[in-house]
Amino acid sequence: KNQVEQSPQSLIILEGKNCTLQCNYTVSPFSNLRWYKQDTGRGPVSLTIMTFSENTKSNGRYTATLDADTKQSSLHITASQLSDSASYICVVSRSGGYNKLIFGAGTRLAVHP
Amino acid sequence: EAGVAQSPRYKIIEKRQSVAFWCNPISGHATLYWYQQILGQGPKLLIQFQNNGVVDDSQLPKDRFSAERLKGVDSTLKIQPAKLEDSAVYLCASSLGLAGLGETQYFGPGTRLLVL
Repeated sequence: KNQVEQSPQSLIILEGKNCTLQCNYTVSPFSNLRWYKQDTGRGPVSLTIMTFSENTKSNGRYTATLDADTKQSSLHITASQLSDSASYICVVSRSGGYNKLIFGAGTRLAVHP
Repeated sequence: EAGVAQSPRYKIIEKRQSVAFWCNPISGHATLYWYQQILGQGPKLLIQFQNNGVVDDSQLPKDRFSAERLKGVDSTLKIQPAKLEDSAVYLCASSLGLAGLGETQYFGPGTRLLVL
């Protein structure tokens, strides 16, 4: 079954600290993987998108990694800020047809001062 | 460039009533998506349009939900009659081409629906 599992469900860190969010998927065949940031009350915003051949991609303080062999991805946030408080959603595209997007449930991150 | 617009932002109705949501995608975007997001969960695709044709509506509860995209631009999503479990945020998104092939998806702010 094509699934995307994210961990932890929720996380609390102090401002300035680093954190890593995990995404494991069973989607096959794989096309691409993206991470979205969703602020409370807003729609998701794309952070990064990676294809099979890419294993690292950065967007400012956000760095995503992809291991297509183990079907795992991580999102690392460096020097967290209060504005990083949001849900982070991992989305995997299944190759074939129109390449359906399969969404994870998200990790809820709270950054405290 | 203007983003994806949705209205209304909030809606409260009683069960068995009808409701409609409107979405205006980014100009020139061929692909339009409607998602349902229940609190604490990731978005679930209800229907995906490519221009004014339906690409995927496999998870749309067709006995009560309907959607159309006239002239391949604006779209409306309707629920008739609403049930308590329809309480959720309804997100509209658009992309230039198919997001599954690597195109960036742009989401609107969503419509929060509460069914009492």
